[in-house]
Amino acid sequence: SYVLSQPPSVSVAPGKTATITCGGNNLGSKGVHWYQQKPGQAPVLVIYYHSDRPSGIPERFSGSTSGNTATLTISRVEAGDEADYYCQVWDSSSEVVFGGGTKLTV
Amino acid sequence: QVHLVESGGGLVKPGGSLRLSCAASGFTFSDYYMTWIRQAPGKGLEWVSYIVGSGTIIYYADSVKGRFTISRDNAKNSLYLQMNSLRAEDTAVYYCARNRGPPGPLTYFEYWGQGTLVTVSS
Repeated sequence: SYVLSQPPSVSVAPGKTATITCGGNNLGSKGVHWYQQKPGQAPVLVIYYHSDRPSGIPERFSGSTSGNTATLTISRVEAGDEADYYCQVWDSSSEVVFGGGTKLTV
Repeated sequence: QVHLVESGGGLVKPGGSLRLSCAASGFTFSDYYMTWIRQAPGKGLEWVSYIVGSGTIIYYADSVKGRFTISRDNAKNSLYLQMNSLRAEDTAVYYCARNRGPPGPLTYFEYWGQGTLVTVSS
């Protein structure tokens, strides 16, 4: 089965840039999507298909994928960005796969 | 706007059954794949199952195959998850979500419900 690997936690100071990685075999050939989940709330899509942003998501959120690594970048981090972040792909052998999640601490 | 509301969660004993429902509004329900995703307490997200708009194509995660059944009633704009032979490890918040597209690189989830908690315990 397909596996996505994320660091359990990332810490960043307010106003700085946060980088959250997601590792998986041949990620560049798949569509990588990112979700933000705050405590007690449902996940929210923040990046789809590697680097596209849904309407309503601030431009501070960006994504990229190269080779086996996808990256979610949050610029000018705010206290309100503190949340868990999950990457997700579709794989023909596993259907939908989520990474283990990364807790962003601001 | 798109609205998804789950219901049917609760406390059930191991080996028991439960049926979850998801009421959808704000879009043409029959046009979309719909999905169940769960999250055990303090854990990450786990895909459970999805179903095509017509109801004729269904996929399950190995962890629930043979025990859970996904279905939909397009006339009622509703998605269901029948859960049988429940185990302690099925304890989770269950979310319904709308797929962006059919299985493939553009399979992601634009809209989620607020979730319903299922607790399996004696």
